[in-house]
Amino acid sequence: DIQMTQSPSSLSASVGDRVTITCRASQTISRYLNWYQQKPGKGPNLLIYAASSLQRGVPSRFSGSGSGTDFTLTISSLQPEDFAAYYCQQSSTTPHTFGGGTKVEIK
Amino acid sequence: EVQLVESGGGLVQSGGSLRLSCAVSGFSFSTYWMSWVRQAPGKGLEWVANIQQEGREKYYMDSVKGRFIISRDNAKNSLYLHLNSLRAEDTALYYCARYGSYIDAIDTWGQGTMVTVSS
Repeated sequence: DIQMTQSPSSLSASVGDRVTITCRASQTISRYLNWYQQKPGKGPNLLIYAASSLQRGVPSRFSGSGSGTDFTLTISSLQPEDFAAYYCQQSSTTPHTFGGGTKVEIK
Repeated sequence: EVQLVESGGGLVQSGGSLRLSCAVSGFSFSTYWMSWVRQAPGKGLEWVANIQQEGREKYYMDSVKGRFIISRDNAKNSLYLHLNSLRAEDTALYYCARYGSYIDAIDTWGQGTMVTVSS
C-alpha cells in the first residue's frame, strides 16, 4: 500500500498568515493527490483534486502543487473559517490512502 | 440536492456483525463510484472500500479484506457495507462517500454512522 505522510501534524497560525502543508507519498503517484478540509463534527470537504485543480465553490486562497511524491497545500491568507483539519489522499492505487492529517489552530 | 444518508450503526460485541446502509438522492447513483471511509474517535480518515458503478469491481483496505463486504443496489439507490468478525479497532464513524464524475476524488460525503465494538 502507498503510505502518505503529512507534515506538520499541527500548526498554530494567525488570521492573514500564509500556511503551507506538505504531503509525501511512499511511491510515485503522478498527480493523483487530493486535499480535504474537515471541521469539528462535520464530514470532510474536497478542496483540491489532481494535485492542483480547485474544486467548485472553494475560495481561491487555497492552492495545491506538486507531482510524483511531493505535494503542497497552500492557504495564501488564513481566514477565521479555515481553522480545521486538512488531509491529503492519493487516488493512484487502491487502497486510496489518506495522510495522517494536519490540524490548523489559532495562534 | 445531493444527499447521502447513512444508517445501521450501533453497539456490537467483538466478533459480531452489522450492516450499514447509505440512501442516496439528488443524483444518478448508478453512474458513480462509491466508497466507505471511516474515522476512529479523535483520529484521522481511513479509506475502507470502494465499488464500481455496476458493482463488478470492489476494492478493500487490507485490514478488512475477508471481513467486510461492500455492495450496492442501483434500483434502490443504496450503498451497503456488511461488517463481519468485528474487532475493537473497527470502532469508528463510517462515512458513505461519492467519487466525482470525472475526478478521482471524493466530492460528496454523508454525515456518518457510528459503529462501536465492545470487547
